Amino acid sequence: EVQLVESGGGLVQPGGSLRLSCAVSGFSLSDFWMKWVRQAPGKGLEWVATIKQDGSEKYYVDSVKGRFTISTDNAKGSLYLQMDSLRADDTALYYCVRGTGTARIPNIATLLYNWGQGTLVIVSS
Amino acid sequence: SYVLTQPPSVSVAPGQTATISCGGSNIGSKSVHWYQQKPGQAPVFVVYDDSARPSGTPERFSGSNSGNTATLTISRVEAGDEADYYCQVWDSYSDHVIFGGGTKLTVL
Repeated sequence: EVQLVESGGGLVQPGGSLRLSCAVSGFSLSDFWMKWVRQAPGKGLEWVATIKQDGSEKYYVDSVKGRFTISTDNAKGSLYLQMDSLRADDTALYYCVRGTGTARIPNIATLLYNWGQGTLVIVSS
Repeated sequence: SYVLTQPPSVSVAPGQTATISCGGSNIGSKSVHWYQQKPGQAPVFVVYDDSARPSGTPERFSGSNSGNTATLTISRVEAGDEADYYCQVWDSYSDHVIFGGGTKLTVL
């Protein structure tokens, strides 16, 4: 059974840092693109970052570029999101997501297939 | 950047048909996925590649995509269908995942 369990969220002051972790089981990180998606309280979904299976490609939404870093440790079965220079508008529930290709686009993980339950990040003084 | 536009809310009586639109420039050329999110839960995809249904999604859920609009249609709506629905595409120019703003489906 595929499981994704996020941790590391909490309350942090503006300008501070936080590292989110996602422990996965039931599959290998070396086989799948992984993503982080966030949802501000009462708001919609926002994609944050994507990492390719081998870590050779990483993509970020413009609002976090230069501040957030996505990474994986395949041996530990963990996905990470290092968040620096945090701002109030980074406050959100952060989901770890396994991506997959589909029949239409098999080589790119366009479909967000499995989701964790999320970890809450609150940026406030 | 690519933008997807959804109506904020749709209301429908039980047993009727709900239609949720997702507008985007030439979205018909893209593959559209739809997610359902119930309160307090993580999203789950209910339609992918415009109109394909994963196992577990009732046949009452269907999708279409043409021109500048993709559509999720839920027939014979049930109280359990009440949720937020999001459309999503992958933008090949930026390699970014794009979500629509979401539509709250209310079953009257």
